[in-house]
Amino acid sequence: KAGVTQTPRYLIKTRGQQVTLSCSPISGHRSVSWYQQTPGQGLQFLFEYFSETQRNKGNFPGRFSGRQFSNSRSEMNVSTLELGDSALYLCASSWDRGRTGELFFGEGSRLTVL
Amino acid sequence: GENVEQHPSTLSVQEGDSAVIKCTYSDSASNYFPWYKQELGKGPQLIIDIRSNVGEKKDQRIAVTLNKTAKHFSLHITETQPEDSAVYFCAASIWDNDMRFGAGTRLTVKP
Repeated sequence: KAGVTQTPRYLIKTRGQQVTLSCSPISGHRSVSWYQQTPGQGLQFLFEYFSETQRNKGNFPGRFSGRQFSNSRSEMNVSTLELGDSALYLCASSWDRGRTGELFFGEGSRLTVL
Repeated sequence: GENVEQHPSTLSVQEGDSAVIKCTYSDSASNYFPWYKQELGKGPQLIIDIRSNVGEKKDQRIAVTLNKTAKHFSLHITETQPEDSAVYFCAASIWDNDMRFGAGTRLTVKP
């Protein structure tokens, strides 16, 4: 069974640009969550999508957005990039967290903003 | 929203010793408390979890305890091995609400 796949794995952008990250969840999983990981800050929750609807949202500015498609694949977009957006962005999927709770993480997309 | 604090941020132990990581949470309604292990270059992976109706859970060398009154929970690793070296994250969530993570503990097990 394939795991959570995130693309691209590494990318470098400059300030002011925008970026789109992609996440393919485990087959059958309907929930996709996104987290930002930075040294010392741990995993900061961005948002969660379930059946194409944003179910929860963390405390990030409106420059961070996401969406989920009918096949459960998800994308997140960051516009007008800032140096502080440099981080590892992790995607996690689950069938239905209300039942099992477990999140299955991808290996992340490492974004560097210059 | 939920706030999770985790201590210590770094922990170094000798192989064979025990390691303890502690977390506190703010929302008394939280009912699910997982622990994740993140190895270098990989995403976090669930190693053990506990629900609010249970006080302790054990799986071989790892165990988790929960004190709902004090709103804190702990991870205990006994007989540590070099392969236990990793970053460990605690988390808390309410039913199907978003999961909030602690800042992580970097555990180093010295051979």
